[in-house]
Amino acid sequence: GDSVTQMEGPVTLSEEAFLTINCTYTATGYPSLFWYVQYPGEGLQLLLKATKADDKGSNKGFEATYRKETTSFHLEKGSVQVSDSAVYFCALSGKSGGYNKLIFGAGTRLAVHP
Amino acid sequence: SAVISQKPSRDICQRGTSLTIQCQVDSQVTMMFWYRQQPGQSLTLIATANQGSEATYESGFVIDKFPISRPNLTFSTLTVSNMSPEDSSIYLCSVVWADAGANVLTFGAGSRLTVL
Repeated sequence: GDSVTQMEGPVTLSEEAFLTINCTYTATGYPSLFWYVQYPGEGLQLLLKATKADDKGSNKGFEATYRKETTSFHLEKGSVQVSDSAVYFCALSGKSGGYNKLIFGAGTRLAVHP
Repeated sequence: SAVISQKPSRDICQRGTSLTIQCQVDSQVTMMFWYRQQPGQSLTLIATANQGSEATYESGFVIDKFPISRPNLTFSTLTVSNMSPEDSSIYLCSVVWADAGANVLTFGAGSRLTVL
């Protein structure tokens, strides 16, 4: 079945460092891909999404490009801030699960220090 | 912006008891779901809450353990029955807003249950 694999955390960075969180997926057909973020004590929020190959999703300085050839959707940010400290989840919705059902990766905790 | 209200936000429960979690939204939604997030783990879909009919459960989840109601378009409940410590989790309501793009889910803040 469909699945999502994320790099394990925690990821610890200094402020203004470059961030990459790897995400790869397995799916039949052409899934939509998402990054959700969960700040401490809050619910999940959609950070960005991409619905077809080569699409780039972006929001709040974060970017991710849908790479079908490598089945990847890595999250990047050029300069992280302390306020970016959160858990980041990669997810997909695809044909096998029904298009409105999300399959999540395990989540990657990011800690940014001043 | 549209709001999802979940309650209780947290609770501590005794083994063998049941607890009902409520999810209320203030705008029209096309779909409502219930997810579980076990400690240190990712989210797992429990079921799709269907308005006016029985919920659709995912593999590994059954109605007797997790009865779900959705009497109208903007309200749903999830009951965790006969709880054991293994049920300690965050339970999240999620929706697809009627005016949002397909596949875009919005989540409530969650209900953190601890079973002793």
